[in-house]
Amino acid sequence: QKEVEQNSGPLSVPEGAIASLNCTYSDRGSQSFFWYRQYSGKSPELIMFIYSNGDKEDGRFTAQLNKASQYVSLLIRDSQPSDSATYLCAVRQGGADGLTFGKGTHLIIQP
Amino acid sequence: DTAVSQTPKYLVTQMGNDKSIKCEQNLGHDTMYWYKQDSKKFLKIMFSYNNKELIINETVPNRFSPKSPDKAHLNLHINSLELGDSAVYFCASSQESVARGFGTDTQYFGPGTRLTVL
Repeated sequence: QKEVEQNSGPLSVPEGAIASLNCTYSDRGSQSFFWYRQYSGKSPELIMFIYSNGDKEDGRFTAQLNKASQYVSLLIRDSQPSDSATYLCAVRQGGADGLTFGKGTHLIIQP
Repeated sequence: DTAVSQTPKYLVTQMGNDKSIKCEQNLGHDTMYWYKQDSKKFLKIMFSYNNKELIINETVPNRFSPKSPDKAHLNLHINSLELGDSAVYFCASSQESVARGFGTDTQYFGPGTRLTVL
């Protein structure tokens, strides 16, 4: 059974600070890792993907992957109120495999 | 231009009815998916189709039947609707092929269909 675990939160972070979101996964065969953002009543929107160990940066976002520890994280620098949303961690093995999602972390950026 | 579209956006129906949700993508992708997001916001894969062929069929009641008339469309038909079927159903697509075997491609999600069974 493939599982993806996230702390559901809410995680409250002051505006301008760094928000740190964490995720662990159970399936060692997982090949690629995704962070999606979902606003209330909207569809998931891709923030970043990563499939190699280490860090990957895109603007204010940094994804970190440690396959040995089966751990993925997302850092959001200079947090803005518009970053307030649910962040979904997702993993997949490959091919036409569907994404296995965590239950999401609800992030609140306090102005 | 809408990349992945779904109709209808909202669907309210009685228990026991049969209903369909339609999905279309104009991205030229090979693979399409159906996901269900329950009341606790947990998003779970239901089906995956690659070039009109069923690839994944997770543990879903056989009252749910996906149909892919061509690779740009993936419809979901639900028979004998039950209260527990109430959820938001998302269609998604990605530029995968089974031959590639390495699933890094991004899945793009449609706007969702909120199904309410009374």
